[in-house]
Amino acid sequence: NAGVTQTPKFQVLKTGQSMTLQCAQDMNHEYMSWYRQDPGMGLRLIHYSVGAGITDQGEVPNGYNVSRSTTEDFPLRLLSAAPSQTSVYFCASSYSNWGRKNTEAFFGQGTRLTVV
Amino acid sequence: DAKTTQPPSMDCAEGRAANLPCNHSTISGNEYVYWYRQIHSQGPQYIIHGLKNNETNEMASLIITEDRKSSTLILPHATLRDTAVYYCIVRVGSSNTGKLIFGQGTTLQVKP
Repeated sequence: NAGVTQTPKFQVLKTGQSMTLQCAQDMNHEYMSWYRQDPGMGLRLIHYSVGAGITDQGEVPNGYNVSRSTTEDFPLRLLSAAPSQTSVYFCASSYSNWGRKNTEAFFGQGTRLTVV
Repeated sequence: DAKTTQPPSMDCAEGRAANLPCNHSTISGNEYVYWYRQIHSQGPQYIIHGLKNNETNEMASLIITEDRKSSTLILPHATLRDTAVYYCIVRVGSSNTGKLIFGQGTTLQVKP
């Protein structure tokens, strides 16, 4: 059981370049989300999805796009990278109905992105 | 979602119980208390959650006060591997979103 898989683990981009961070889960979870974590800070929600075909914005969505064409995949796109997007990015997935058993979120190991 | 307040840092001796407090004085009746931890910049890891009753699993115990305005995460026998940032989060149980709103958390340092 792979859980939540993020690729790549590390990436360096030049300002203005675009790229896609990949996230895949094999647990048939309805919910998937993307967070960023800057040094010394907690995680901040970028975008989330409650199911295939449905996405919504989180706390810090500017500069990022997402889509959810399948249950398994939830890619995060940086349209024109900026140094302010240098961060560690985490993808998470979970079942619905928060509070019941087995509804905890599972996180990937992160993608460390540097924009120069 | 209710806001949580945690001390920024705590120390604990190896082998002793680590008691991590969390204040959530504005919690609503249908909001659950969740605890996650993050070890050395890895992805956060779920620990435990509860509504109003105390909960225990293989990792920890969660004690929620009767008025539900605060809770304590207990690691019964802390080891060096428990050194991490611990996050207390409250979530609406019936919400159909997957959002987690993280605060600053408590950095727990377990010392030999």
